[in-house]
Amino acid sequence: GAVVSQHPSRVICKSGTSVKIECRSLDFQATTMFWYRQFPKKSLMLMATSNEGSKATYEQGVEKDKFLINHASLTLSTLTVTSAHPEDSSFYICSARGRRPETQYFGPGTRLLVL
Amino acid sequence: GENVEQHPSTLSVQEGDSAVIKCTYSDSASNYFPWYKQELGKRPQLIIDIRSNVGEKKDQRIAVTLNKTAKHFSLHITETQPEDSAVYFCAASPQNYGGSQGNLIFGKGTKLSVKP
Repeated sequence: GAVVSQHPSRVICKSGTSVKIECRSLDFQATTMFWYRQFPKKSLMLMATSNEGSKATYEQGVEKDKFLINHASLTLSTLTVTSAHPEDSSFYICSARGRRPETQYFGPGTRLLVL
Repeated sequence: GENVEQHPSTLSVQEGDSAVIKCTYSDSASNYFPWYKQELGKRPQLIIDIRSNVGEKKDQRIAVTLNKTAKHFSLHITETQPEDSAVYFCAASPQNYGGSQGNLIFGKGTKLSVKP
């Protein structure tokens, strides 16, 4: 099946620093990748949709200058949390659309803790 | 836009019993409905999905039913086992999911506990 990796799996950083999270589709080309945020015991909240070679589409309420998304190739999308603050601490999960156009496969997630 | 409601938020069953989770959606144009299982600290895994041109789909102990008229769909797990314990999310795709901007709108999740 389709495999999506995410790196790092866990990161702890100081307030004010920036953190980059990578999402890769390992055995398929993903023209579209999605970034989600998940709080403890809560559902998946879509942050943005990332299309290869074009600007990401952000959901309402998500600051595009805060959460920078780059989808430079068909297998890699990155999310950069700029000037991170404690309230940005969360579980960030990416997903990629697989060979079946409607199926999404999720990465393992990145747990971010901002001190 | 699309809104997905999921019930119940928690469900506890005895091993061997059946479990049913229900979802409703608001956008009548939605045409794809997947179910994901998420174990603690892990990624959501697709367990079954259904498209709007089908009323029911079954895969071993798991089945999904769809009622387009009422705009609701349900997940049925029979002969539950302790390893079925997890959080289950339903989702619906707004119109034109196959397009470049298609995405999934998720329900809030159901925490299923199967007691041995």
